[in-house]
Amino acid sequence: SQQGEEDPQALSIQEGENATMNCSYKTSINNLQWYRQNSGRGLVHLILIRSNEREKHSGRLRVTLDTSKKSSSLLITASRAADTASYFCATDAAGNMLTFGGGTRLMVKP
Amino acid sequence: NAGVTQTPKFQVLKTGQSMTLQCAQDMNHEYMSWYRQDPGMGLRLIHYSVGAGITDQGEVPNGYNVSRSTTEDFPLRLLSAAPSQTSVYFCASSYFPGQGATEAFFGQGTRLTVV
Repeated sequence: SQQGEEDPQALSIQEGENATMNCSYKTSINNLQWYRQNSGRGLVHLILIRSNEREKHSGRLRVTLDTSKKSSSLLITASRAADTASYFCATDAAGNMLTFGGGTRLMVKP
Repeated sequence: NAGVTQTPKFQVLKTGQSMTLQCAQDMNHEYMSWYRQDPGMGLRLIHYSVGAGITDQGEVPNGYNVSRSTTEDFPLRLLSAAPSQTSVYFCASSYFPGQGATEAFFGQGTRLTVV
């Protein structure tokens, strides 16, 4: 079974609005990462947050991590049509490979 | 700097055929892995390698073999293709600087159909 589970599975918003995606996981982790996948393409790394960090920013992205609740959220502010993609959280629990969730499909309407 | 290169991009196989999906990276990464992605789902780990000569199984290893003879290459072999192996396959690589993995770099994927 997958370590991470994203919520919602699909999200549709208007350009300029904020988009929030959540990720829950099951076991203790070393770090949690968020990736983006455009249709039919490979995944691209967005941001990594370590287990001892609570919040991290990168441009219009804000990631939070609550290890007590085993959850993370990704906020995309002032969304653009070009942000339309699937977003995946991935956990590094054993210090080896990443385990991915099922993803959130984001559609940003112009 | 090509990053992670996967070949072929598309492949159609008949049930029972075998084939090798190629993956090469030019970033001198220790860690390489293979995932499969089924429609509307996330990625599931098939096999991974922490360095040349070392491989291990992931979540869904049955029907697949891997080897790692060099740092750069990590081929995935389908022994006897089955329709259930129809999927998009992604290869990824990353550094491992101590505690926890750094970001993974992904290839563009191989779309495999088994008929």
